[in-house]
Amino acid sequence: KQEVTQIPAALSVPEGENLVLNCSFTDSAIYNLQWFRQDPGKGLTSLLLIQSSQREQTSGRLNASLDKSSGRSTLYIAASQPGDSATYLCAVSSGTYKYIFGTGTRLKVLA
Amino acid sequence: SAVISQKPSRDICQRGTSLTIQCQVDSQVTMMFWYRQQPGQSLTLIATANQGSEATYESGFVIDKFPISRPNLTFSTLTVSNMSPEDSSIYLCSVVSGGETQYFGPGTRLLVL
Repeated sequence: KQEVTQIPAALSVPEGENLVLNCSFTDSAIYNLQWFRQDPGKGLTSLLLIQSSQREQTSGRLNASLDKSSGRSTLYIAASQPGDSATYLCAVSSGTYKYIFGTGTRLKVLA
Repeated sequence: SAVISQKPSRDICQRGTSLTIQCQVDSQVTMMFWYRQQPGQSLTLIATANQGSEATYESGFVIDKFPISRPNLTFSTLTVSNMSPEDSSIYLCSVVSGGETQYFGPGTRLLVL
């Protein structure tokens, strides 16, 4: 059974810092992996999707990497801003469009 | 992309009653998904709703408790039946569109007293 874990559970950093969020999964037979952002009182927003054949994806200040063999993904946020404060979730799919979600990292960027 | 709306956005319900949550998508999609997010927890998939067929439920979820309708390619409902305080959660619907990106509705916040 696939299990997805995210470390750290919570993170507080000053504005401007570069930071890394970690995601690990127990079954490497994944189809793709997505990183989401969840803001309080709102739904989820997809940030980046990485196919199993890809190593990384980039969007603006965000870069997500995938090492399928070791069961790991990282989300790198450059030059963090207070507006980046949210909960970040990673989710993996086995190819049926059903996603298993991680436990989330609550990020707070201090001005 | 896909824009998803849900109704109601929040509700407070009494134990033993039922609540039906609506999910509307701005484009036709084959599969819709219903998730639950319990307080302080991550998302758990309840069921997959395909138009024209019965919903497929994940382990731990049953149709009697969470009946789902999917009358067309843009709409679905999830009913939470015979509610108890343990059903207090955020319920989210989602779709896969434009490839494999998953889009979520804003969620329905349910509190059961």
